[in-house]
Amino acid sequence: KNQVEQSPQSLIILEGKNCTLQCNYTVSPFSNLRWYKQDTGRGPVSLTIMTFSENTKSNGRYTATLDADTKQSSLHITASQLSDSASYICVVRDSNYQLIWGAGTKLIIKP
Amino acid sequence: NAGVTQTPKFRILKIGQSMTLQCAQDMNHNYMYWYRQDPGMGLKLIYYSVGAGITDKGEVPNGYNVSRSTTEDFPLRLELAAPSQTSVYFCASSHLQGVSGNTIYFGEGSWLTVV
Repeated sequence: KNQVEQSPQSLIILEGKNCTLQCNYTVSPFSNLRWYKQDTGRGPVSLTIMTFSENTKSNGRYTATLDADTKQSSLHITASQLSDSASYICVVRDSNYQLIWGAGTKLIIKP
Repeated sequence: NAGVTQTPKFRILKIGQSMTLQCAQDMNHNYMYWYRQDPGMGLKLIYYSVGAGITDKGEVPNGYNVSRSTTEDFPLRLELAAPSQTSVYFCASSHLQGVSGNTIYFGEGSWLTVV
């Protein structure tokens, strides 16, 4: 069964620190992998989209990596800010264009 | 810069009542979607549409209906509301469903409680 697992479930870090969120997937074959940021009470907003041939993609302080061989992706946040507090969701698109959503990692940045 | 607009934001329904969640996008997107998000779970696709006049079931379509009479609008109808339909509903749209992956834009969400 196609699944997307994210870890940790939640994370608390101090403002200014870096963090890395993990995503493991069993979707095969896969088309692309996306990371979304979802603020509390809002809809998800796209951060990055990566195809199987891309290893790294950056969007400001957010850097996503992808290892298609091990079916793992990570989202690294540098110099965290209070506004980074949100849920981060990993989404994998399969070859049938279906999106499989992870449950998300809830990130809390403390001052 | 409206993007995807969905209404209402909040609604409380009694068991057995019906209602329609409205969704409109002004980006001339072909694809539109309805998702539900339950606490601690990933988004689940309810219905989607690849263009006006065409709709298809997603992962969890039971208890819902949709229509797509225009490119802009994609309402979601709940018939005979049940407590299991208590959730947050998101409407979304994208230009094309290409392999490279086009960005999906989401509305702000509709919080529905069935009591």
